[in-house]
Amino acid sequence: GAGVSQSPSNKVTEKGKDVELRCDPISGHTALYWYRQSLGQGLEFLIYFQGNSAPDKSGLPSDRFSAERTGGSVSTLTIQRTQQEDSAVYLCASSLPPSGGRRDTQYFGPGTRLTVL
Amino acid sequence: AQSVSQHNHHVILSEAASLELGCNYSYGGTVNLFWYVQYPGQHLQLLLKYFSGDPLVKGIKGFEAEFIKSKFSFNLRKPSVQWSDTAEYFCAVNAFGNEKLTFGTGTRLTIIP
Repeated sequence: GAGVSQSPSNKVTEKGKDVELRCDPISGHTALYWYRQSLGQGLEFLIYFQGNSAPDKSGLPSDRFSAERTGGSVSTLTIQRTQQEDSAVYLCASSLPPSGGRRDTQYFGPGTRLTVL
Repeated sequence: AQSVSQHNHHVILSEAASLELGCNYSYGGTVNLFWYVQYPGQHLQLLLKYFSGDPLVKGIKGFEAEFIKSKFSFNLRKPSVQWSDTAEYFCAVNAFGNEKLTFGTGTRLTIIP
């Protein structure tokens, strides 16, 4: 399919372990976003990439969270020393380059459900 | 900072009833506005969006929304709901020049056959 794909779909880990979540955006989408969806907090923005650079990391909740993007395509979100409060669905979205100063629609992937025991 | 309020947390309607879900945002500048839907077990999908022009926008599956700038609102409407509209609905705003979407807390819609 041509949509945003994410892997794994589910991840169960023990507290203190590191996890890596992967996002494959729609081909040609230069912008990539990570969000988190949790019961208590709703949908929260984490980080935005334009190409391989991340001009907005303002939503990352702590320095345990990091993300990178290589080749202007695949992105990896890494959570180090996971805590139980990190349990959530992590969503990736991508969009086309801006036009006339306006962002295009963000298209979301199916998410990775992370459970920290 | 931009924020979005969805006042209805859970709405229960019978089939064929009319629907209106409220969405208000706080941001004084130019905004892009969106409604996303998440059907049970599925991922977020775009229902409709407003960038500029006609403040009444039509989306998929018979949904529409009206942008009222003076009220900072972008309410979602459908004249006659179906059982298949059972889902969670999220309003989102993207301030002009800002990259991130700010979402409301969502409204769970349950349609009773």
